[in-house]
Amino acid sequence: GDSVTQMEGPVTLSEEAFLTINCTYTATGYPSLFWYVQYPGEGLQLLLKATKADDKGSNKGFEATYRKETTSFHLEKGSVQVSDSAVYFCALTRGYQKVTFGTGTKLQVIP
Amino acid sequence: DVKVTQSSRYLVKRTGEKVFLECVQDMDHENMFWYRQDPGLGLRLIYFSYDVKMKEKGDIPEGYSVSREKKERFSLILESASTNQTSMYLCATVTPLAPSSYNEQFFGPGTRLTVL
Repeated sequence: GDSVTQMEGPVTLSEEAFLTINCTYTATGYPSLFWYVQYPGEGLQLLLKATKADDKGSNKGFEATYRKETTSFHLEKGSVQVSDSAVYFCALTRGYQKVTFGTGTKLQVIP
Repeated sequence: DVKVTQSSRYLVKRTGEKVFLECVQDMDHENMFWYRQDPGLGLRLIYFSYDVKMKEKGDIPEGYSVSREKKERFSLILESASTNQTSMYLCATVTPLAPSSYNEQFFGPGTRLTVL
């Protein structure tokens, strides 16, 4: 079945550091890929998405590129802020409404 | 903007009680989902519904049931709460199926349930 693997956290960075959170997936066909973010005390919200190979999703300074050859969708940001502290979930869907989530990576940014 | 609301943010119940968690969405979406979120396990799908009175089991339905009497409301029921059901429960709805496989989910704020 489908699965998503993302790096274990927590990840602790200083403000303005470069962020990478790795995500790889297993799925047949051509899934759509997502990154969701969960701020403390809130539900998940969509951060960015990519629907086909080589697409780059971007939002709020975050980017991720859909790499079918390596089945990866790594999240990057050039300069993190304290306000980026949250839990980040990588996810995929193959269009049947059902979404498969990774286990989440907690990011803590310190001033 | 899609709005998904959940009836309680925090709930404390005792073992054996019947527990109702309610979710309401305002976008007329057919598809609604209940997940539980636990540290190290991510989100796991409990049940989902494609339409009124229609429901399907997810990955971990044991100990839960659901009700969808109206399109905008999807309830999760714990018939007899147990301590291992202490968790964060998240409701979600999804945009209608498009020709592409893109389906963004919209989440409620979550209900943190503690079973004593």
